[in-house]
Amino acid sequence: NAGVTQTPKFRVLKTGQSMTLLCAQDMNHEYMYWYRQDPGMGLRLIHYSVGEGTTAKGEVPDGYNVSRLKKQNFLLGLESAAPSQTSVYFCASSPGTPPRGTFGSGTRLTVV
Amino acid sequence: KQEVTQIPAALSVPEGENLVLNCSFTDSAIYNLQWFRQDPGKGLTSLLLIQSSQREQTSGRLNASLDKSSGRSTLYIAASQPGDSATYLCAVPGGGSNYKLTFGKGTLLTVNP
Repeated sequence: NAGVTQTPKFRVLKTGQSMTLLCAQDMNHEYMYWYRQDPGMGLRLIHYSVGEGTTAKGEVPDGYNVSRLKKQNFLLGLESAAPSQTSVYFCASSPGTPPRGTFGSGTRLTVV
Repeated sequence: KQEVTQIPAALSVPEGENLVLNCSFTDSAIYNLQWFRQDPGKGLTSLLLIQSSQREQTSGRLNASLDKSSGRSTLYIAASQPGDSATYLCAVPGGGSNYKLTFGKGTLLTVNP
């Protein structure tokens, strides 16, 4: 049972480039989340989804887009990367509400 | 807006010591509270989840308590070991929606041999 799997684990982008981070869960969880973690800022919610085909904005959604076409996958896209998006990105899932988190191992993204 | 505060931000103790980590939250209307562990460069691992109807939850040397009325939770670690060194985070549902978790910034624990 893999749990929550994030790909890639590391990535370096140039300013203005685009990329997609993939999160996959095999626990049949309804809810999925994307967080970013920055020193001194803690974990901040970017976007989340409460079911297949749904998405919603979190605390810091600007510059990111998401899609949940399949229940097991939650994609985070950066259309035009900026240095301010340098961070560690975590995906999480929860079976329902109230939420409890099962987290992936993270993606370390550097934008130069 | 739900806000979660963890004190202290960092703690260094000698091996074998019992210790307490603190978590406070501003909106006491929570369904549960969860404690996580994060090792350097790794993801978050769930340690304990306390339902709002519970006052304590135990797992091995870890004991978490919850006092909803005062907006506080504590994580007690008995007989600490160097392998306990990590960042400990607490999280509660809320922040305008019960679909998502709001996290504290964590306590960085170092247990010295």
